[in-house]
Amino acid sequence: DAGVIQSPRHEVTEMGQEVTLRCKPISGHNSLFWYRQTMMRGLELLIYFNNNVPIDDSGMPEDRFSAKMPNASFSTLKIQPSEPRDSAVYFCASTDRNYGYTFGSGTRLTVV
Amino acid sequence: QKEVEQDPGPLSVPEGAIVSLNCTYSNSAFQYFMWYRQYSRKGPELLMYTYSSGNKEDGRFTAQVDKSSKYISLFIRDSQPSDSATYLCAMIYNQGGKLIFGQGTELSVKP
Repeated sequence: DAGVIQSPRHEVTEMGQEVTLRCKPISGHNSLFWYRQTMMRGLELLIYFNNNVPIDDSGMPEDRFSAKMPNASFSTLKIQPSEPRDSAVYFCASTDRNYGYTFGSGTRLTVV
Repeated sequence: QKEVEQDPGPLSVPEGAIVSLNCTYSNSAFQYFMWYRQYSRKGPELLMYTYSSGNKEDGRFTAQVDKSSKYISLFIRDSQPSDSATYLCAMIYNQGGKLIFGQGTELSVKP
């Protein structure tokens, strides 16, 4: 099992550019979560999906953020336009609801 | 008030010490409790997963849940330098629901 796979591992972009983060959950897991981690705020849930359907997006900070899950094996988190305050580590996690949640290695985003 | 409170530390102990990490929570609706370990520049890694009040042991790690006091703990026996990491408590209302994290406690085990 390759675990939860996120890409890219690092992303440096200029303010105003579009950023797309990608996630492949563990096969058979039917729930997927996007988190953001910063020193000040810790791990914050942005949005989660059950069976590819968005359930709770109340953590999405602004309309600049959007997430999709077109199928059970792929999800994207998009920021357009990006701002320096979006700089953080973004994690994707998945679960099959029978056990704990497995996290990916994260995408470290820097917006300059 | 945050739903889950955790002392961020840092906590520094000598090798071989017993470490106690704790979290409190405000909502009695939380049903499932977890502890994650996060090494620098890595993703959180699941250590312990518990449902009911009581103790659960796995090697040098013991998770304790007291639902009446809304208090959970993680004990690490015979701590090792390799245990140096940030430990995060987390909890959910129902399986598959959103996982709410504490702030995390940074632990350093000195040789």
